[in-house]
Amino acid sequence: ETGVTQSPTHLIKTRGQQVTLRCSSQSGHNTVSWYQQALGQGPQFIFQYYREEENGRGNFPPRFSGLQFPNYSSELNVNALELDDSALYLCASSFVGLETQYFGPGTRLLVL
Amino acid sequence: SQQGEEDPQALSIQEGENATMNCSYKTSINNLQWYRQNSGRGLVHLILIRSNEREKHSGRLRVTLDTSKKSSSLLITASRAADTASYFCATDLSGNTPLVFGKGTRLSVIA
Repeated sequence: ETGVTQSPTHLIKTRGQQVTLRCSSQSGHNTVSWYQQALGQGPQFIFQYYREEENGRGNFPPRFSGLQFPNYSSELNVNALELDDSALYLCASSFVGLETQYFGPGTRLLVL
Repeated sequence: SQQGEEDPQALSIQEGENATMNCSYKTSINNLQWYRQNSGRGLVHLILIRSNEREKHSGRLRVTLDTSKKSSSLLITASRAADTASYFCATDLSGNTPLVFGKGTRLSVIA
């Protein structure tokens, strides 16, 4: 157990809808990163938040957005869902200066 | 795009045997990390090796790093059925930067 929690565990949406995924960081961690993992692939970096500001972004369109709250919990929002957005979404928390990231169990999103 | 590439894609061994997985990457790195993932769930950090290190041990795990060849290997000794999982290498380019993962090696340990 890493202490990182995510909700919900599973989600089914239809194309065009919007979704919000949530992550609660491990206690004391001030950085959260989100990754998308398609079936059979490795995780791909979406973005990272540090002190409530976006601190780096991968090759994902603007319809992927996020928030980090003062308690270091975080949200990933995806607008205008596409079929290819179906994936496991992982959040990982860390503390700036530490190299290890601690992953949550993920949210599996299915877009129909 | 994924920087690391694991080899083999899949590996099946008997319990008690050793399992070796390899990872190649493309650019200079600060460190390389190995993670395990059970059945499409969250990733568990196994071990981190820095660019100035050549070998590291943690329990039944042994990791090597060859920066001249841009490659790393993960050895699991005396494997157990519970080691069945997917194993990913991830590179950190400059320290505390986003991890870049490979596609992983699926390990099956047969009892």
